[in-house]
Amino acid sequence: NAGVTQTPKFRILKIGQSMTLQCAQDMNHNYMYWYRQDPGMGLKLIYYSVGAGITDKGEVPNGYNVSRSTTEDFPLRLELAAPSQTSVYFCASSYADISYQETQYFGPGTRLLVL
Amino acid sequence: RKEVEQDPGPFNVPEGATVAFNCTYSNSASQSFFWYRQDCRKEPKLLMSVYSSGNEDGRFTAQLNRASQYISLLIRDSKLSDSATYLCVVNGVTGNDYKLSFGAGTTVTVRA
Repeated sequence: NAGVTQTPKFRILKIGQSMTLQCAQDMNHNYMYWYRQDPGMGLKLIYYSVGAGITDKGEVPNGYNVSRSTTEDFPLRLELAAPSQTSVYFCASSYADISYQETQYFGPGTRLLVL
Repeated sequence: RKEVEQDPGPFNVPEGATVAFNCTYSNSASQSFFWYRQDCRKEPKLLMSVYSSGNEDGRFTAQLNRASQYISLLIRDSKLSDSATYLCVVNGVTGNDYKLSFGAGTTVTVRA
């Protein structure tokens, strides 16, 4: 199993550009998540999904959109990039509800720089 | 007040030493607790879950103190490979949603 994969690894965007961060998992997990990690800060949840066709906002959803058309894929869309979106983005998945001590598996991350 | 607070460190310890650090959480309704490990420029990986009675995994021991709302991690006989940032992760139920709160991490550096 590849686990959770993310592409690209690194990207530089200009202000106002858009892009999609790709995330895929091959563990047949129902739950998927997008986080951002800023220096000196804990991971912040952007969006999550509890299954195909179902998504919901996390703590910091503004400026982002997601879709979940299949169990495997959970892309994150940035429509109008802003410098405040410079961060490391992690996608994660879990088999079940994390409130039951369920492990989250993280992808390797995408480093985004907005100039 | 942050939902999860950790001493950022760094804790610099020699090989073979014992190092311990805590994490405090603000939501008394939190039900699930974890320690994740994150190496430099890598993704977080689960180190261990933390159970009410405390639990041990090899050289790592985790404790939970619900009354004082903190969890701890103790590393015995430190190895160079233990150098990493340790993230405290707490689940708290808010309304009908669940949410994981991540601490900013405690950095441990083990020196030869």
